[in-house]
Amino acid sequence: SYELTQPPSVSVSPGQTASITCSGDKLGDKYACWYQLRPGQSPVLVIYQDSKRPSGIPERFSGSNSGNTATLTISGTQAMDEADYYCQAWDSTYNYVFGTGTKVTVL
Amino acid sequence: EVQLVESGGGLVQPGGSLRLSCAASGFTFRGYAMSWVRQAPGKGLEWVSAISTSGGSTSYADSVKGRFTISRDNSKNTLYLQMNSLRAEDTAVYYCAQVGGSYDLRDWGQGTLVTVSS
Repeated sequence: SYELTQPPSVSVSPGQTASITCSGDKLGDKYACWYQLRPGQSPVLVIYQDSKRPSGIPERFSGSNSGNTATLTISGTQAMDEADYYCQAWDSTYNYVFGTGTKVTVL
Repeated sequence: EVQLVESGGGLVQPGGSLRLSCAASGFTFRGYAMSWVRQAPGKGLEWVSAISTSGGSTSYADSVKGRFTISRDNSKNTLYLQMNSLRAEDTAVYYCAQVGGSYDLRDWGQGTLVTVSS
């Protein structure tokens, strides 16, 4: 199976930068995307095609993907960014694969 | 505005069946592949199934293969998930989602809760 591994949790102070990693074998050869999941709400796509932001997603969200690691960066983190974040990639054998998820806490 | 509205969830006994529906509006439904994703209580997101624009190609997670069937009716702008032989581990919130060009999941419904319990 194809696995995407994320740190279980990341803590960040308001206004600082949070970085969330997503590791998988040759992940850089695939497109990575990221979802934000707040409690009681539906997932929201915040990054697609490694680094593109959908309409309506703030500029403080950015992404990169190279080698075996994709990274979601939240610059100037706000309290409203506190949520679970999941990376996802598509593989021709394993189809849609989600990462293990990271809980971002804004202290 | 894209709207995806799931329905059909509920409480079902182990071994039972349910059919979920997802009513789509605000976009050209027949032009997009669609997918189902679930989240079990306290767990992460798990991809369940996907279907091509015409419905001619489908794919499933190993955990549901042979038990679940995805389908769509482009004339009704509706996506379906037929779930048979349900197990306790199928208990989850089920979301339908629109598939984007790079296999991302662009827009999601609000989800419908399926509980498998005796």
